[in-house]
Amino acid sequence: KQEVTQIPAALSVPEGENLVLNCSFTDSAIYNLQWFRQDPGKGLTSLLLIQSSQREQTSGRLNASLDKSSGRSTLYIAASQPGDSATYLCAVVSLRTGSARQLTFGSGTQLTVLP
Amino acid sequence: NAGVTQTPKFRVLKTGQSMTLLCAQDMNHEYMYWYRQDPGMGLRLIHYSVGEGTTAKGEVPDGYNVSRLKKQNFLLGLESAAPSQTSVYFCASRIRYNEQFFGPGTRLTVL
Repeated sequence: KQEVTQIPAALSVPEGENLVLNCSFTDSAIYNLQWFRQDPGKGLTSLLLIQSSQREQTSGRLNASLDKSSGRSTLYIAASQPGDSATYLCAVVSLRTGSARQLTFGSGTQLTVLP
Repeated sequence: NAGVTQTPKFRVLKTGQSMTLLCAQDMNHEYMYWYRQDPGMGLRLIHYSVGEGTTAKGEVPDGYNVSRLKKQNFLLGLESAAPSQTSVYFCASRIRYNEQFFGPGTRLTVL
């Protein structure tokens, strides 16, 4: 069974700092990996999607990398801002999910960027 | 283009009552999902659908039923609500191997 782990569970950084969020998964047989942002009391906003054949994706100040063989992904946030404060979730679609193609989620990293 | 919408946003039920949560998407997506999010448990799949008229069980289906009579709508039903079903419910949709889009969630409390 696929398991997704995110470390650390919480992170607090001063504004302007570059930071890295980590995600690891136990089964490397995946279709893709997706990073989400969740603000308190809100839904999930998709940030980046990396297909299994890709190594990284970039959107603005965000860069996500994927190392499928080692079961790891990182989300790099450059020049962090207080508006980046949220919970960041990593999720994978495993090859073994059959027709469902559902996401298996990590528990998230709660990020606080201090002004 | 409204994306994925959910109705209602909040609901309080008494044990044993029934209700239906509605999910609608206007992106013509084939796949639709219902997840629940609980503290310390992350998001878990309840039921899913790979197309109009089809549904299947996910990781935690007990106590829930679903229907997908129209491609754009996916309904989640609770026939006899229990306190253990207090949670935040999210609907999502996707096309094949592409990214999944989520609705804003429904916060359900069962007393």
